[in-house]
Amino acid sequence: QQQVKQSPQSLIVQKGGISIINCAYENTAFDYFPWYQQFPGKGPALLIAIRPDVSEKKEGRFTISFNKSAKQFSLHIMDSQPGDSATYFCAATLHDYKLSFGAGTTVTVRA
Amino acid sequence: NAGVMQNPRHLVRRRGQEARLRCSPMKGHSHVYWYRQLPEEGLKFMVYLQKENIIDESGMPKERFSAEFPKEGPSILRIQQVVRGDSAAYFCASSPPARGGADTQYFGPGTRLTVL
Repeated sequence: QQQVKQSPQSLIVQKGGISIINCAYENTAFDYFPWYQQFPGKGPALLIAIRPDVSEKKEGRFTISFNKSAKQFSLHIMDSQPGDSATYFCAATLHDYKLSFGAGTTVTVRA
Repeated sequence: NAGVMQNPRHLVRRRGQEARLRCSPMKGHSHVYWYRQLPEEGLKFMVYLQKENIIDESGMPKERFSAEFPKEGPSILRIQQVVRGDSAAYFCASSPPARGGADTQYFGPGTRLTVL
């Protein structure tokens, strides 16, 4: 079964808009929640990550919001740019190395 | 500073053949992880290896799949007697020896295996 559920499967946003991707998890033992960005033909690259003792983390235009009680976390991409067009994966880890990935969200930013 | 290298990038095999996928970790990295990505799904953990040791193979199918990371040379993921359901992208990640954490895993570009 999928341990991390991600939505939506795809989204289209205008340049300058906000992209929001949501993830939910079941296993309360997860202790690290990273987001990865993947371009076609490339491997996933770590974008931003959060630990469960923090409710929000911001790095540049990327923000993670984390709701421990609801077992949900989300990625917000502010001021979306065409170069942000990629597939985004949320993930969670157990034992700090075994990543469980969501199914991915394909983001298309229209100029 | 070369990243994680995987070869081949694309591999086509007929049912029943063997597939060998290679992963060269980043320079200085001694931990290797293999993940499989089926179409329309996220990556799934398969195995975690350190030099000459399998640390965690809980995600490996019980049959036909094996992995090794010898003292010298790349890590190898071997799939014997491939079936169509093995068609997927296989990603390797590596991390430095200090700690094998998720925040230090760097992914390679993947090998796309197609089984005819």
